[in-house]
Amino acid sequence: AQTVTQSQPEMSVQEAETVTLSCTYDTSESDYYLFWYKQPPSRQMILVIRQEAYKQQNATENRFSVNFQKAAKSFSLKISDSQLGDAAMYFCAYRSSNDMRFGAGTRLTVKP
Amino acid sequence: NAGVTQTPKFQVLKTGQSMTLQCAQDMNHEYMSWYRQDPGMGLRLIHYSVGAGITDQGEVPNGYNVSRSTTEDFPLRLLSAAPSQTSVYFCASSYRQLNTEAFFGQGTRLTVV
Repeated sequence: AQTVTQSQPEMSVQEAETVTLSCTYDTSESDYYLFWYKQPPSRQMILVIRQEAYKQQNATENRFSVNFQKAAKSFSLKISDSQLGDAAMYFCAYRSSNDMRFGAGTRLTVKP
Repeated sequence: NAGVTQTPKFQVLKTGQSMTLQCAQDMNHEYMSWYRQDPGMGLRLIHYSVGAGITDQGEVPNGYNVSRSTTEDFPLRLLSAAPSQTSVYFCASSYRQLNTEAFFGQGTRLTVV
């Protein structure tokens, strides 16, 4: 079964600085997608960024970018120029033809 | 745009009671799923469906039943509630293609006493 591991339960960053959230996954499948979702205190789940396993180029969405290392099965999220509104739980997710699995999450605190 | 509608938002049950969490989406999504969210454990997949009439088990299916009689609806049934089922439950839906975004309901906070 596919597993997703986020080894950092909590992270903290100073406003305007850069932070990287880690994610690793385990799979034997070749076709899959990886996602990062953000969950603010409102409990709403918000898509941050997605990455196709076949693409070597790392995805970028404004201040958010990923470092996708397929051989290492690693998918980290980098947040540049952190803002107070970035404070939330961040979940890494893996999606294959069967289902979608999530990691345990990383709670990000942004200090003013 | 209703998106994914999940009801109720809050529920308190006594041990042994049964109930159904409702989930409906109006985006014609083929894929629907139920997760439970517990502190330190993230979202764990309970059951999922890739289309009407098709359901399958996820990581933690015990104590839960689902059915998918229509594309729009995917209810989750707790057969005999236990305190271990105290959690926040999320319904999600998406298109079948792997690259599509999952849309989530607002969540149900369930407490079993």
